[in-house]
Amino acid sequence: KNEVEQSPQNLTAQEGEFITINCSYSVGISALHWLQQHPGGGIVSLFMLSSGKKKHGRLIATINIQEKHSSLHITASHPRDSAVYICAALKNTGGFKTIFGAGTRLFVKA
Amino acid sequence: SAVISQKPSRDICQRGTSLTIQCQVDSQVTMMFWYRQQPGQSLTLIATANQGSEATYESGFVIDKFPISRPNLTFSTLTVSNMSPEDSSIYLCSDGGLNTEAFFGQGTRLTVV
Repeated sequence: KNEVEQSPQNLTAQEGEFITINCSYSVGISALHWLQQHPGGGIVSLFMLSSGKKKHGRLIATINIQEKHSSLHITASHPRDSAVYICAALKNTGGFKTIFGAGTRLFVKA
Repeated sequence: SAVISQKPSRDICQRGTSLTIQCQVDSQVTMMFWYRQQPGQSLTLIATANQGSEATYESGFVIDKFPISRPNLTFSTLTVSNMSPEDSSIYLCSDGGLNTEAFFGQGTRLTVV
């Protein structure tokens, strides 16, 4: 079992829909990142979380440390949100290391 | 926020040749990280580059195949040596460290033919 699991693997949504992407992890972490990767390969860091909730525009990220779970929400989705979303956990047990989820491929239809 | 300029953005190379990828950061950073993303896979850390010392490689990656330079606190290069088609991947640099915001270069999409 991977230390960081994302779901769903693929997601197709209609423009305007509310989207949720989930990330569960099984190791102790100091922080968790949500990353966005566009088709060209470039990556943008959306959020870094160690507790609670963060909001930026239409994006909201939450983390529950006790449940070892984080979610990324996109409100009023738009075709330009189509990308791969990756969660990355900064593991702090057995040495510091970043563990990446496999990514969620999101396609938003107009 | 840091800005990382990575180049080239893409390249098609002949097997047996080498390609050097450059990353320039607009501010001084202690550590830089090089990642590989094979087709359909998530990111894998290749090595951590510190200025003034040899890079630290992850299991499965060796200096002879992926030599790294870090001549100063704003610049690093990764060379993919003696390439084979299995090296076709996206290569990314990042300045992200422990408990900090991570900024990534735009990625280099490498195809080896």
